[in-house]
Amino acid sequence: EVQLVESGGGLVQPGGSLRLSCAASEFTFSSYWMHWVRQAPGKGLVWVSRVNGDGSSTNYADSVKGRFTISRDNTKNTLYLQMNSLRAEDTAVYYCAREMQTGDVSTRHFDLWGRGTLVTVSS
Amino acid sequence: DIQMTQSPSSLSASVGDRVTITCRASQSISSYLNWYQQKPGKAPKLLIYAASSLQSGVPSRFSGSGSGTDFTLTISSLEPEDFATYYCQQSYSTPRTFGLGTNLDIK
Repeated sequence: EVQLVESGGGLVQPGGSLRLSCAASEFTFSSYWMHWVRQAPGKGLVWVSRVNGDGSSTNYADSVKGRFTISRDNTKNTLYLQMNSLRAEDTAVYYCAREMQTGDVSTRHFDLWGRGTLVTVSS
Repeated sequence: DIQMTQSPSSLSASVGDRVTITCRASQSISSYLNWYQQKPGKAPKLLIYAASSLQSGVPSRFSGSGSGTDFTLTISSLEPEDFATYYCQQSYSTPRTFGLGTNLDIK
């Protein structure tokens, strides 16, 4: 089955670190840009970061720049998000998502999402 | 960064109603606009991409239109399973910003 499965969430103290993983199955993982999107409790979706297919290009939301690092291991079909210097406002469900492009670049969209992993930053 | 503004933020409607949700981009994004549906405790689900293309498996009562800065998502006749939160997202540039969402609930 084509799917994404996140793991690595949990409770961490402010200032701590956590690494999230997103395991991809049944598709050519290296062919796709991958993204992290988060959702704080009761709030909307917020884009966090993205990485291109070979891992050579990354982007971050201003709110996490310098603290989070996105990476991927295409031999393991796995996406990562290393989160350092965590703050209470980083508390959220973190989703990984695949970006699909069906032809013209205007068709870019997130067609496959994981179920999410909850990160709680609290003392 | 491109800002996405959705309206209304919440909407009450009845089964069978026709509903329209709007999304406005802070600059022109051509047709780089996607719509997602999210139900409580679930991951978002793609409904419409490239402003008006229906994702495979999505019922035809969902449709999207618009280009440039103004877009709409229309549900032609609400079904019970359509009560959810809807988000627009631009894919014109990074960051891939989302609107704040429209919560559609039962009147």
